Amino acid sequence: DAGITQSPRHKVTETGTPVTLRCHQTENHRYMYWYRQDPGHGLRLIHYSYGVKDTDKGEVSDGYSVSRSKTEDFLLTLESATSSQTSVYFCAISESREYNEQFFGPGTRLTVL
Amino acid sequence: SQQGEEDPQALSIQEGENATMNCSYKTSINNLQWYRQNSGRGLVHLILIRSNEREKHSGRLRVTLDTSKKSSSLLITASRAADTASYFCATAGGSQGNLIFGKGTKLSVKP
Repeated sequence: DAGITQSPRHKVTETGTPVTLRCHQTENHRYMYWYRQDPGHGLRLIHYSYGVKDTDKGEVSDGYSVSRSKTEDFLLTLESATSSQTSVYFCAISESREYNEQFFGPGTRLTVL
Repeated sequence: SQQGEEDPQALSIQEGENATMNCSYKTSINNLQWYRQNSGRGLVHLILIRSNEREKHSGRLRVTLDTSKKSSSLLITASRAADTASYFCATAGGSQGNLIFGKGTKLSVKP
């Protein structure tokens, strides 16, 4: 497995609370991505980063923010969690934008009650 | 917006048989990739085929790409129980080059 870890791996929280998920890589890849995976929707891109402090929105960015202060860490924050954000969240990294072959972390299962 | 659509949604075969999964997409692409996801795990990159390639092999995997029909197929030969997983196609294109994933084909290989 590529050196990607996600923490926490599981989290249960209540509606309205802030939640931060962490993605850590040891591959020194420039590009990092956050996806959510839901039944019937496949994987959808939330936000991505193309360098330290450089981020952009994906397809389903509403309600989420991200930060990348170091090459190895990419944080996803739910400012005020809602039940619709119950999902499995995956972080991915890639070295090249040209081909964009991505390596995925193990995922975080988030439940918002 | 979903770019790739896999077909079938689910496939059940016996060990030793071949498994074929198809992917159709809508817009022009730079490349198309196939990923595997075992239950409860992250996705694993299997193979990438560029838009100017028509066929590519990797071990028991064979991928074809027909850009005129905007479709790709993934063939797994001599399948094994360990091939049981969901398989996703992902297309790369557009100005940002982000991947857009299909909803996947769930493959079950019975021993």
